[in-house]
Amino acid sequence: AQSVTQLDSHVSVSEGTPVLLRCNYSSSYSPSLFWYVQHPNKGLQLLLKYTSAATLVKGINGFEAEFKKSETSFHLTKPSAHMSDAAEYFCVVSDLGAGNMLTFGGGTRLMVKP
Amino acid sequence: DADVTQTPRNRITKTGKRIMLECSQTKGHDRMYWYRQDPGLGLRLIYYSFDVKDINKGEISDGYSVSRQAQAKFSLSLESAIPNQTALYFCATSGGLAYEQFFGPGTRLTVL
Repeated sequence: AQSVTQLDSHVSVSEGTPVLLRCNYSSSYSPSLFWYVQHPNKGLQLLLKYTSAATLVKGINGFEAEFKKSETSFHLTKPSAHMSDAAEYFCVVSDLGAGNMLTFGGGTRLMVKP
Repeated sequence: DADVTQTPRNRITKTGKRIMLECSQTKGHDRMYWYRQDPGLGLRLIYYSFDVKDINKGEISDGYSVSRQAQAKFSLSLESAIPNQTALYFCATSGGLAYEQFFGPGTRLTVL
């Protein structure tokens, strides 16, 4: 069975400082991993995805994530936070064992202080 | 225009009422999904459909039913709404072998 744990339910950073949102996964197969972002009163937007190619994945708006198989992690980072990054972020896993269905983490709410 | 639309966007109803949430997509995708979002739980899968004749239960299907009227339309029904079905509901689509899902804007449902 696949599962995802987002290690922080809330993260607060100051504008201009680095962002780190942590995600650990469990999967019996070679997984695909995603980060989605949800801004208030909006649907979910794909930030980036890992599907067995390069382990360092670059996404939109300056975000990137690194797939580390030995640590079963897929942490999301950004060098410098912007006020517009304030949102909820979801780490998501998909593998063949689950018919490529998505399993979501509980979400991390990112707050950005001026 | 949005690729995945949901109606209504907000709905307040009473316990015991029948409610239908509708989803339409213009992406031409065969696969459609219904999720509910609760704080701290992420999104959980209610039902999914891989084509018009294929309907499958997800993780939390009890109390819900669906109808796939056409490739582009997938409706979710609450036969007799109860307060713990108060949540944000999302429809999503995906195409072919792609893993990525595309989400609608959500429907906020409140059951009093």
